[in-house]
Amino acid sequence: EVQLVESGGGLVQPGGSLRLSCAASGFTFSSYAMHWVRQAPGKGLEYVSAISSNGGSTYYANSVKGRFTISRDNSKNTLYLQMGSLRAEDMAVYYCARSEAKNTVAGTVFDYWGQGTLVTVSS
Amino acid sequence: QSVLTQPPSASGTPGQRVTISCSGSSSNIGSNYVYWYQQLPGTAPKLLIYRNNQRPSGVPDRFSGSKSGTSASLAISGLRSEDEADYYCAAWDDSLSVYVVFGGGTKLTVL
Repeated sequence: EVQLVESGGGLVQPGGSLRLSCAASGFTFSSYAMHWVRQAPGKGLEYVSAISSNGGSTYYANSVKGRFTISRDNSKNTLYLQMGSLRAEDMAVYYCARSEAKNTVAGTVFDYWGQGTLVTVSS
Repeated sequence: QSVLTQPPSASGTPGQRVTISCSGSSSNIGSNYVYWYQQLPGTAPKLLIYRNNQRPSGVPDRFSGSKSGTSASLAISGLRSEDEADYYCAAWDDSLSVYVVFGGGTKLTVL
């Protein structure tokens, strides 16, 4: 069974940093691109970032480019999102998600999602 | 303002058939697969339809997807109370630095 479990969310002050993790199990993690998607309270889904299966390519939404860094450790089956210079508008539930197709980022979207971790940005 | 356009709400009575539309452009729906997700209150989105019209195992055949040109639709037949949820469409976008785009979501109410 595919499982994605996010952790690392919490309360952070504006301008602060936070690192999210997503522990994957039940599939060959190193064969799939992975993504981060967020959802502000009461709002819709917003794409954040993606990373290729081997970590060699990364993609960022304009809203987080230069502030967030996506990475992965295939030996630990774990995806990360390092978030910096956090703003009030970054407050959201952050989900990690698996690409629907193996070994590709472009063209397909997600099949499995984690349960999400809440990031609150407030002073 | 979402890149893909969905109606904000839809409704139906038990047993009815409901459709939810999703409109995009040539750079997303027009040239890539459409995906549909169901989000029950307080839970993560769940894949309902992938690659325009494919159902993952475990998704009832009451749910079906279609795509034509730059638009797509999700149909739910035999509506049940447990179908009350938010529904989102999504697609990859070939535009520079856009990647995945979503619809704004449709809140389905079962009357």
